[in-house]
Amino acid sequence: QSALTQPASVSGSPGQSITISCTGTSSDVGSYNLVSWYQQHPGKAPKLMIYEVSKRPSGVSNRFSGSKSGNTASLTISGLQAEDEADYYCCSYAGSSRVVFGGGTKLTVL
Amino acid sequence: QVQLVQSGAEVKKPGASVKVSCKASGYTFTGYYMHWVRQAPGQGLEWMGWINPNSGGTNYAQKFQGRVTMTRDTSISTAYMELSRLRSDDTAVYYCARPWGGIAVAGIGGYWGQGTLVTVSS
Repeated sequence: QSALTQPASVSGSPGQSITISCTGTSSDVGSYNLVSWYQQHPGKAPKLMIYEVSKRPSGVSNRFSGSKSGNTASLTISGLQAEDEADYYCCSYAGSSRVVFGGGTKLTVL
Repeated sequence: QVQLVQSGAEVKKPGASVKVSCKASGYTFTGYYMHWVRQAPGQGLEWMGWINPNSGGTNYAQKFQGRVTMTRDTSISTAYMELSRLRSDDTAVYYCARPWGGIAVAGIGGYWGQGTLVTVSS
């Protein structure tokens, strides 16, 4: 099972919006609305930001939103803040009780 | 509140086995699957598998088939992940993670343990 494909890095200025893509296949992202996104700061455990493509857990800012089109899911962060600088990972159900992560994207807030 | 507390760091020699524990509190342990995820130094997240604490049923990523065993002890609300025949590239932080809601494979990391560093070195 190959990892989902994410850009290695993205950047944006405070207040701007950025989008991180996550490309899978018709066997994972394309087949299930079970994509989630995680934020990870250095030395910390990941934090769930989006689940089931576009749902936000309680306590997560509404500046974070998720979507999906075909085999590609996306995470959009609006109104970028310095604290958003972190690594972001997508994750998808891949059928047969399997789960796959993306390779991760480093977000830099300029 | 939901808490997952993992066992401490381990140093192992190549070929040995390691067993990491994850003690859950703040919710009904048997009501949610438990996933295990690892992260090698400077690398991304890698899903290893899950255990259903209610039935003891498991599912492992193909990469770890034959080397990983996930178990649980419901009497003490603790899940375990044992990895055998360790190699240097198994050096990583190992996390347990509980799904956010009732769907076992949706938002698998709603709650995370603090991570356990396993170092494999001769």
